[in-house]
Amino acid sequence: EDQVTQSPEALRLQEGESSSLNCSYTVSGLRGLFWYRQDPGKGPEFLFTLYSAGEEKEKERLKATLTKKESFLHITAPKPEDSATYLCAAFTGGGNKLTFGTGTQLKVEL
Amino acid sequence: DGGITQSPKYLFRKEGQNVTLSCEQNLNHDAMYWYRQDPGQGLRLIYYSQIVNDFQKGDIAEGYSVSREKKESFPLTVTSAQKNPTAFYLCASSIGARGKIGELFFGEGSRLTVL
Repeated sequence: EDQVTQSPEALRLQEGESSSLNCSYTVSGLRGLFWYRQDPGKGPEFLFTLYSAGEEKEKERLKATLTKKESFLHITAPKPEDSATYLCAAFTGGGNKLTFGTGTQLKVEL
Repeated sequence: DGGITQSPKYLFRKEGQNVTLSCEQNLNHDAMYWYRQDPGQGLRLIYYSQIVNDFQKGDIAEGYSVSREKKESFPLTVTSAQKNPTAFYLCASSIGARGKIGELFFGEGSRLTVL
């Protein structure tokens, strides 16, 4: 059974304090790894797609990386507006299906 | 602006009642999806549709029904057979091409509470 596990469940950072969120996956035949941001009471917003080990994507203070077993979302010098829940999802080729992790709730304080 | 519109945002239902959640998109996307989100759990797929007049069950389809009569619309009915319907429901769409299959555009969600 495909599994996606995110850690930590929650993370509190001071503004400017860089850190990383982890997404480990156990799936058969990974076809893509996706990161989303979700604000409270809203739908998730797509951030990145990673297709193969070694691939990296960047957007402002966020950088996503992928290995054969896990993905990291690195947050450099975060600001309070980066506070949100970050979700990762793995797509396997057996149909239109994503397996989502439970998310990491990030809070960035002044 | 293109996007996905879900309504209502909040909905209260008495036990034994069916309710229908609306989802409309103007992104010209072929594929549409319904997910359910519960605290402490990942998003779970209820139904999805890749083309008009066709849809498939996801992981937790029991107690739900959908239709796809128009490309733009994918309503979800939560029936009285759904044992635990209180949840946050999310509609999404994607281009549908295999390379973009996981790049979903989500609506703002509908929160259903059973009284």
